[in-house]
Amino acid sequence: DTAVSQTPKYLVTQMGNDKSIKCEQNLGHDTMYWYKQDSKKFLKIMFSYNNKELIINETVPNRFSPKSPDKAHLNLHINSLELGDSAVYFCASSPSYFYADTQYFGPGTRLTVL
Amino acid sequence: GESVGLHLPTLSVQEGDNSIINCAYSNSASDYFIWYKQESGKGPQFIIDIRSNMDKRQGQRVTVLLNKTVKHLSLQIAATQPGDSAVYFCAERGADGLTFGKGTHLIIQP
Repeated sequence: DTAVSQTPKYLVTQMGNDKSIKCEQNLGHDTMYWYKQDSKKFLKIMFSYNNKELIINETVPNRFSPKSPDKAHLNLHINSLELGDSAVYFCASSPSYFYADTQYFGPGTRLTVL
Repeated sequence: GESVGLHLPTLSVQEGDNSIINCAYSNSASDYFIWYKQESGKGPQFIIDIRSNMDKRQGQRVTVLLNKTVKHLSLQIAATQPGDSAVYFCAERGADGLTFGKGTHLIIQP
């Protein structure tokens, strides 16, 4: 059973397009996250949601909009894609935010913007 | 910039030797630290954690040491195996959640 799953695994698209990445966790966790990993493997948090509510929104362009329809899902929608958006995006979850010790990561979505 | 970093981007060790991966952090208020392992094409995977009220914690073949005086964290892997080849990240928990370091690529030589 996959604890944290993401779709698609690979996404290749043109500049200016709009795309979405989906994330689901079956761990019963309250908190979910989106991270961006650049070509140098640096992991940077983008968003944190606790019980469907946004609690962290790092300095991310407003072209990125997370949506949490329920606490098991956190999707990431990106408008007007730019070359610099190319990266691997990881979804993660943890039991709760205030006890956010162990985060469980999904397999990642490699986004390539041409 | 990030408050957590690693001293070496790449560490090469012989199979069977012990590996030591180091990490420096700058936020003295951080109360919790984690080591993650990321294999090629996969997401980070939890290895071991340590709270700030401890200075050492052992797992299976792994040991984490925390020196709060110099704000230094290390991961020791005993009897390194080919399956240990990965990028290792330290992470610290602060007010805004986890902050990750840049990662060290551990290469195992036969």
